Amino acid sequence: AQSVTQLDSQVPVFEEAPVELRCNYSSSVSVYLFWYVQYPNQGLQLLLKYLSGSTLVKGINGFEAEFNKSQTSFHLRKPSVHISDTAEYFCAVSDDSGYSTLTFGKGTMLLVSP
Amino acid sequence: NAGVTQTPKFQVLKTGQSMTLQCAQDMNHEYMSWYRQDPGMGLRLIHYSVGAGITDQGEVPNGYNVSRSTTEDFPLRLLSAAPSQTSVYFCASSLGGSFGETQYFGPGTRLLVL
Repeated sequence: AQSVTQLDSQVPVFEEAPVELRCNYSSSVSVYLFWYVQYPNQGLQLLLKYLSGSTLVKGINGFEAEFNKSQTSFHLRKPSVHISDTAEYFCAVSDDSGYSTLTFGKGTMLLVSP
Repeated sequence: NAGVTQTPKFQVLKTGQSMTLQCAQDMNHEYMSWYRQDPGMGLRLIHYSVGAGITDQGEVPNGYNVSRSTTEDFPLRLLSAAPSQTSVYFCASSLGGSFGETQYFGPGTRLLVL
């Protein structure tokens, strides 16, 4: 069985500051990792995903994430956030034991203030 | 391309009532799934389908029924609504069922069961 832990339920940050949202996973097989963003009252949108290859993955809106197999982590980073980045961010994992079913973390609310 | 559409956007039910949440996609995707989102719980998989006529249970299937008669539609049925089913429901689809594929989400249905 796989699981995802998002270590922070809420991350407050000032505009133009850097941010890191933490995600750890557990799985007994090879994994595929995702970050989704949910803006208020909307559905989820893919930010980026790691399937294989380079451990640094670049996504939309200036976000990037680094896959660290030894630490079983997939932290999301952005060097300078904007007010418009205020949203809930979900880390998710799927594995190669079945279909593309996603297991989600509980989410991290990013609150960007001026 | 409308993507993934869900109706209704919002619904209030009384305990014991039944209803169907509609989900449709126009991307010719084989894989479709239903998730529920509850505060502090992330998204949890209810049911999924890997093609017309094929469905399977996810993490929290109790109280929900699904069927898939066409590639485009994947309705979720609540036969006898309970207050514990108050949640936001998201439908998602992906091209195939392969691991690592991006899932595309609908805008969600907010359900309140009194």
